[in-house]
Amino acid sequence: IQMTQSPSTLSASVGDRVTITCRASQSISYSLAWYQQKPGKAPKFLIYQASTLQSGVPSRFSGSGSGTEFTLTITSLQPDDFATYYCQQYNGYSRTFGQGTKVEIK
Amino acid sequence: EVHLVESGGTLVQPGGSLRLSCAASGFTFSSYSMNWVRQAPGKGLEWISYITVRSDTILYSDSVKGRFTISRDNAKNSVYLQMNSLRDEDTAVYYCAKDRGGGGLDYWGQGTLVTVSS
Repeated sequence: IQMTQSPSTLSASVGDRVTITCRASQSISYSLAWYQQKPGKAPKFLIYQASTLQSGVPSRFSGSGSGTEFTLTITSLQPDDFATYYCQQYNGYSRTFGQGTKVEIK
Repeated sequence: EVHLVESGGTLVQPGGSLRLSCAASGFTFSSYSMNWVRQAPGKGLEWISYITVRSDTILYSDSVKGRFTISRDNAKNSVYLQMNSLRDEDTAVYYCAKDRGGGGLDYWGQGTLVTVSS
Protein backbone atom coordinates (compact mmCIF):
# COMPACT_ATOMS: atom_id res chain seq x y z
CA ILE A 1 0.00 0.00 0.00
CA GLN A 2 1.47 3.36 -1.06
CA MET A 3 0.83 6.51 0.95
CA THR A 4 1.06 9.92 -0.73
CA GLN A 5 1.08 13.15 1.24
CA SER A 6 0.43 16.62 -0.08
CA PRO A 7 1.84 19.15 -0.09
CA SER A 8 5.49 18.19 0.44
CA THR A 9 6.19 21.59 1.94
CA LEU A 10 3.80 24.12 3.40
CA SER A 11 4.65 27.69 4.39
CA ALA A 12 2.43 29.16 7.07
CA SER A 13 2.31 31.77 9.80
CA VAL A 14 1.56 31.49 13.48
CA GLY A 15 -2.22 31.46 13.89
CA ASP A 16 -2.92 29.95 10.47
CA ARG A 17 -5.14 26.93 9.90
CA VAL A 18 -3.13 24.20 8.20
CA THR A 19 -4.38 21.07 6.41
CA ILE A 20 -2.24 18.15 5.23
CA THR A 21 -3.67 15.43 3.01
CA CYS A 22 -2.68 11.76 2.93
CA ARG A 23 -3.96 9.40 0.25
CA ALA A 24 -3.71 5.60 0.27
CA SER A 25 -3.34 3.55 -2.90
CA GLN A 26 -6.15 1.28 -1.68
CA SER A 27 -8.72 1.39 1.08
CA ILE A 28 -7.30 1.16 4.58
CA SER A 29 -10.56 1.84 6.43
CA TYR A 30 -9.57 3.93 9.46
CA SER A 31 -6.11 2.36 9.93
CA LEU A 32 -4.12 5.58 9.83
CA ALA A 33 -1.81 7.35 12.26
CA TRP A 34 -0.12 10.77 12.20
CA TYR A 35 3.28 11.74 13.62
CA GLN A 36 5.23 14.95 14.14
CA GLN A 37 9.00 15.00 13.82
CA LYS A 38 11.46 17.77 14.59
CA PRO A 39 15.06 17.78 13.32
CA GLY A 40 17.31 15.35 15.15
CA LYS A 41 14.45 13.96 17.22
CA ALA A 42 12.35 10.79 17.19
CA PRO A 43 8.82 11.12 15.82
CA LYS A 44 5.98 11.98 18.18
CA PHE A 45 2.71 10.06 17.96
CA LEU A 46 -0.25 12.38 17.41
CA ILE A 47 -3.32 10.56 16.12
CA TYR A 48 -4.51 6.98 15.57
CA GLN A 49 -7.55 5.37 13.96
CA ALA A 50 -7.58 8.39 11.64
CA SER A 51 -9.13 10.77 14.14
CA THR A 52 -8.39 9.77 17.75
CA LEU A 53 -6.00 12.13 19.50
CA GLN A 54 -3.22 10.50 21.53
CA SER A 55 -3.25 11.49 25.18
CA GLY A 56 -1.47 14.79 25.79
CA VAL A 57 -1.69 16.05 22.22
CA PRO A 58 -3.15 19.57 22.01
CA SER A 59 -6.72 19.81 20.77
CA ARG A 60 -5.70 22.14 17.92
CA PHE A 61 -4.64 18.94 16.13
CA SER A 62 -7.37 16.89 14.50
CA GLY A 63 -7.62 14.11 11.97
CA SER A 64 -10.35 12.95 9.66
CA GLY A 65 -11.04 10.64 6.76
CA SER A 66 -11.50 6.99 5.94
CA GLY A 67 -10.89 4.63 3.08
CA THR A 68 -8.25 6.27 0.92
CA GLU A 69 -8.30 9.96 1.85
CA PHE A 70 -7.29 11.46 5.15
CA THR A 71 -6.44 14.89 6.52
CA LEU A 72 -4.51 16.31 9.45
CA THR A 73 -5.61 19.78 10.47
CA ILE A 74 -3.88 22.17 12.82
CA THR A 75 -6.10 25.06 13.82
CA SER A 76 -4.20 28.16 14.91
CA LEU A 77 -0.62 27.06 14.20
CA GLN A 78 1.75 27.58 17.13
CA PRO A 79 5.54 28.15 17.06
CA ASP A 80 6.08 24.62 18.43
CA ASP A 81 4.17 23.13 15.47
CA PHE A 82 6.77 23.92 12.82
CA ALA A 83 7.97 20.42 12.00
CA THR A 84 7.59 17.58 9.52
CA TYR A 85 4.41 15.51 9.65
CA TYR A 86 4.02 11.91 8.49
CA CYS A 87 1.00 9.71 7.99
CA GLN A 88 1.29 5.94 8.39
CA GLN A 89 -1.09 3.16 7.43
CA TYR A 90 -1.27 -0.05 9.45
CA ASN A 91 -3.79 -2.10 7.51
CA GLY A 92 -3.20 -5.82 7.15
CA TYR A 93 0.31 -7.13 6.70
CA SER A 94 2.11 -3.90 5.96
CA ARG A 95 2.83 -0.57 7.53
CA THR A 96 3.79 2.32 5.26
CA PHE A 97 4.65 5.95 5.90
CA GLY A 98 3.88 8.85 3.65
CA GLN A 99 6.85 10.84 2.39
CA GLY A 100 6.27 13.65 4.88
CA THR A 101 5.03 17.25 4.84
CA LYS A 102 7.32 19.96 6.15
CA VAL A 103 5.51 22.85 7.78
CA GLU A 104 7.79 25.86 7.69
CA ILE A 105 7.58 29.45 8.78
CA LYS A 106 6.28 31.84 6.12
CA GLU B 1 7.70 6.12 32.08
CA VAL B 2 8.31 4.25 28.85
CA HIS B 3 11.91 4.09 27.67
CA LEU B 4 13.29 2.50 24.54
CA VAL B 5 17.06 2.52 24.09
CA GLU B 6 18.63 1.33 20.84
CA SER B 7 22.25 0.26 20.57
CA GLY B 8 24.61 -1.42 18.16
CA GLY B 9 24.81 1.16 15.39
CA THR B 10 28.24 1.69 13.88
CA LEU B 11 30.20 1.94 10.63
CA VAL B 12 30.14 -1.31 8.64
CA GLN B 13 31.39 -2.23 5.19
CA PRO B 14 29.03 -3.16 2.35
CA GLY B 15 28.17 -6.84 2.55
CA GLY B 16 28.74 -6.87 6.28
CA SER B 17 26.43 -7.74 9.17
CA LEU B 18 25.27 -5.95 12.27
CA ARG B 19 22.89 -6.65 15.14
CA LEU B 20 20.88 -3.86 16.68
CA SER B 21 19.31 -4.12 20.12
CA CYS B 22 16.49 -2.19 21.76
CA ALA B 23 16.05 -2.34 25.53
CA ALA B 24 12.57 -1.51 26.79
CA SER B 25 11.39 -0.39 30.21
CA GLY B 26 8.42 1.29 31.83
CA PHE B 27 5.75 -0.98 30.37
CA THR B 28 4.87 -4.68 30.17
CA PHE B 29 7.08 -5.52 27.22
CA SER B 30 5.63 -9.01 26.78
CA SER B 31 2.20 -7.53 26.07
CA TYR B 32 3.06 -5.37 23.05
CA SER B 33 4.19 -5.84 19.49
CA MET B 34 7.32 -3.98 18.46
CA ASN B 35 8.62 -2.35 15.28
CA TRP B 36 11.80 -1.12 13.65
CA VAL B 37 11.68 2.07 11.57
CA ARG B 38 14.60 3.73 9.82
CA GLN B 39 15.38 7.14 8.41
CA ALA B 40 18.13 7.73 5.87
CA PRO B 41 19.98 11.07 6.15
CA GLY B 42 17.68 13.89 5.04
CA LYS B 43 14.90 11.47 4.08
CA GLY B 44 11.57 10.36 5.43
CA LEU B 45 10.57 7.55 7.75
CA GLU B 46 10.59 3.98 6.45
CA TRP B 47 8.92 1.19 8.39
CA ILE B 48 10.99 -2.00 8.06
CA SER B 49 9.84 -4.69 10.48
CA TYR B 50 7.20 -5.76 13.01
CA ILE B 51 6.98 -8.59 15.54
CA THR B 52 4.07 -9.69 17.67
CA VAL B 53 4.20 -10.57 21.37
CA ARG B 54 4.86 -14.29 20.86
CA SER B 55 6.81 -13.76 17.62
CA ASP B 56 4.09 -15.63 15.76
CA THR B 57 3.60 -12.86 13.22
CA ILE B 58 6.66 -11.17 11.73
CA LEU B 59 6.51 -8.65 8.90
CA TYR B 60 9.19 -7.01 6.77
CA SER B 61 9.27 -4.31 4.16
CA ASP B 62 10.28 -5.44 0.69
CA SER B 63 13.50 -3.43 0.99
CA VAL B 64 14.89 -5.63 3.78
CA LYS B 65 13.06 -8.95 3.35
CA GLY B 66 15.52 -11.83 3.17
CA ARG B 67 18.39 -9.78 4.61
CA PHE B 68 17.12 -8.57 7.99
CA THR B 69 15.67 -10.64 10.85
CA ILE B 70 13.67 -9.28 13.75
CA SER B 71 13.49 -11.15 17.05
CA ARG B 72 12.63 -10.52 20.66
CA ASP B 73 13.41 -11.84 24.13
CA ASN B 74 10.54 -11.12 26.49
CA ALA B 75 12.59 -12.23 29.48
CA LYS B 76 15.14 -9.54 28.68
CA ASN B 77 12.59 -6.90 27.58
CA SER B 78 14.48 -6.54 24.33
CA VAL B 79 13.90 -6.58 20.60
CA TYR B 80 16.65 -7.14 18.06
CA LEU B 81 17.34 -6.55 14.38
CA GLN B 82 19.91 -8.78 12.70
CA MET B 83 21.06 -7.09 9.51
CA ASN B 84 22.98 -9.07 6.89
CA SER B 85 24.25 -8.28 3.40
CA LEU B 86 24.26 -4.60 4.20
CA ARG B 87 24.17 -2.08 1.36
CA ASP B 88 25.03 1.59 1.08
CA GLU B 89 21.30 2.38 1.01
CA ASP B 90 20.84 0.82 4.46
CA THR B 91 22.66 3.81 5.94
CA ALA B 92 20.14 5.37 8.32
CA VAL B 93 19.12 6.08 11.87
CA TYR B 94 17.29 3.00 13.11
CA TYR B 95 14.48 3.46 15.62
CA CYS B 96 12.64 0.85 17.61
CA ALA B 97 9.05 1.74 18.35
CA LYS B 98 6.35 0.26 20.54
CA ASP B 99 3.08 -0.70 18.92
CA ARG B 100 0.13 0.97 20.60
CA GLY B 101 -1.89 -2.18 20.25
CA GLY B 102 -4.64 -1.55 17.73
CA GLY B 103 -2.50 0.62 15.50
CA GLY B 104 0.14 3.30 15.59
CA LEU B 105 3.56 3.55 17.18
CA ASP B 106 3.18 5.36 20.48
CA TYR B 107 6.70 5.33 21.87
CA TRP B 108 10.03 5.60 20.08
CA GLY B 109 13.66 5.26 21.06
CA GLN B 110 16.24 7.93 20.32
CA GLY B 111 17.64 5.95 17.39
CA THR B 112 21.01 4.42 16.56
CA LEU B 113 23.02 5.35 13.45
CA VAL B 114 24.12 2.67 11.03
CA THR B 115 26.57 3.75 8.35
CA VAL B 116 27.35 1.36 5.51
CA SER B 117 30.45 2.48 3.67
CA SER B 118 33.78 1.22 2.47
